[in-house]
Amino acid sequence: GDSVTQMEGPVTLSEEAFLTINCTYTATGYPSLFWYVQYPGEGLQLLLKATKADDKGSNKGFEATYRKETTSFHLEKGSVQVSDSAVYFCAHNTNAGKSTFGDGTTLTVKP
Amino acid sequence: DAGVIQSPRHEVTEMGQEVTLRCKLISGHNSLFWYRQTMMRGLELLIYFNNNVPIDDSGMPEDRFSAKMPNASFSTLKIQPSEPRDSAVYFCASSNGDRNSPLHFGNGTRLTVT
Repeated sequence: GDSVTQMEGPVTLSEEAFLTINCTYTATGYPSLFWYVQYPGEGLQLLLKATKADDKGSNKGFEATYRKETTSFHLEKGSVQVSDSAVYFCAHNTNAGKSTFGDGTTLTVKP
Repeated sequence: DAGVIQSPRHEVTEMGQEVTLRCKLISGHNSLFWYRQTMMRGLELLIYFNNNVPIDDSGMPEDRFSAKMPNASFSTLKIQPSEPRDSAVYFCASSNGDRNSPLHFGNGTRLTVT
């Protein structure tokens, strides 16, 4: 069945450190891939997306590349800031129109 | 566009009472999703609709939960009777149903059942 597996948290980094949050998926068909971010007291909001193999999504210094051969969509940022502290969710959409989410990874960035 | 609007933002009620959560979709969106989020279970899909029709309600915990779309832009999630274990943040999200389009989430309703 469809699933998304992401790196377990919590993740704690110092400001300006390099961030990687791993995400792998299984899906029937050819999914589109997403990263969402959730700040305290708010709903999830789109961070970036990629809709076909080898596409790179990017936003606010975050990047992720759609790797079909490894069924992965790892999130990276070269230099994190305190304001990046949040919960990050990997997700995919299939042609059935249903979104499948990972369990979320909590990131804390310390000054 | 005002985004997905949920009300109320916070609800505190006593066990056994009926609770109704409300959601207004983004204009033009035709898919509606209700999620529940807790520390223990994370983000759970309860039900989703496409063009006002429930497509998958397998995540609805039990018969105490019901969801409706009386029109294309509005949905309700009702819990009757409520129990303390229903305490959670409930989110609704909408999309245009396209595989390449993300979900747009509201800011949630924090429900506390005492």
